[in-house]
Amino acid sequence: GAGVSQSPSNKVTEKGKDVELRCDPISGHTALYWYRQSLGQGLEFLIYFQGNSAPDKSGLPSDRFSAERTGGSVSTLTIQRTQQEDSAVYLCASSSPYGYEQYFGPGTRLTVT
Amino acid sequence: AQSVTQLDSHVSVSEGTPVLLRCNYSSSYSPSLFWYVQHPNKGLQLLLKYTSAATLVKGINGFEAEFKKSETSFHLTKPSAHMSDAAEYFCVVSEGRGSTLGRLYFGRGTQLTVWP
Repeated sequence: GAGVSQSPSNKVTEKGKDVELRCDPISGHTALYWYRQSLGQGLEFLIYFQGNSAPDKSGLPSDRFSAERTGGSVSTLTIQRTQQEDSAVYLCASSSPYGYEQYFGPGTRLTVT
Repeated sequence: AQSVTQLDSHVSVSEGTPVLLRCNYSSSYSPSLFWYVQHPNKGLQLLLKYTSAATLVKGINGFEAEFKKSETSFHLTKPSAHMSDAAEYFCVVSEGRGSTLGRLYFGRGTQLTVWP
């Protein structure tokens, strides 16, 4: 079956612009996660959606970052007024309620110039 | 609080020799533990997982890991390295399981180089 998909695969934006990154989880997976991978910080948790519960936003680095998940499926991560330190690979993962692992998408490489 | 320490940032081995990638964790609860692999310009792939069943866990591509609670360790091993094993490896911990798996905590990664 199809895995987690993310779009775009690459995004170059100018400092100060807003960007939206999209994640399509595996069908039937109720949990969805966003992580960020950068050279300086390694892999960091950003936000987590579980079913209809309120999301765990504890990893968002600033109020410029937000995410939503519509219809319990697709998720969009939005970064407003991008800064150069936002340059990273943004990874999405999903998991089923019956499994133990998270399945990762290929990521979106964001470059802020 | 959860944390993971990968004791080596780089490991180099010759093809056909054993691989040992070391990982120690800190957890307030009985953790779930994972090893993920990331090949260059590829996504994260799950190698194996420990979720409170057998302490010796077998994964894909001949890798295995042993959960040692007394040592808070979860080292990854393989008897004989292959050139295709060259990649970055991440040790990962979570407090939850199943529907409450929750966020993952990643180590900083170990870059494995395999020499011919």
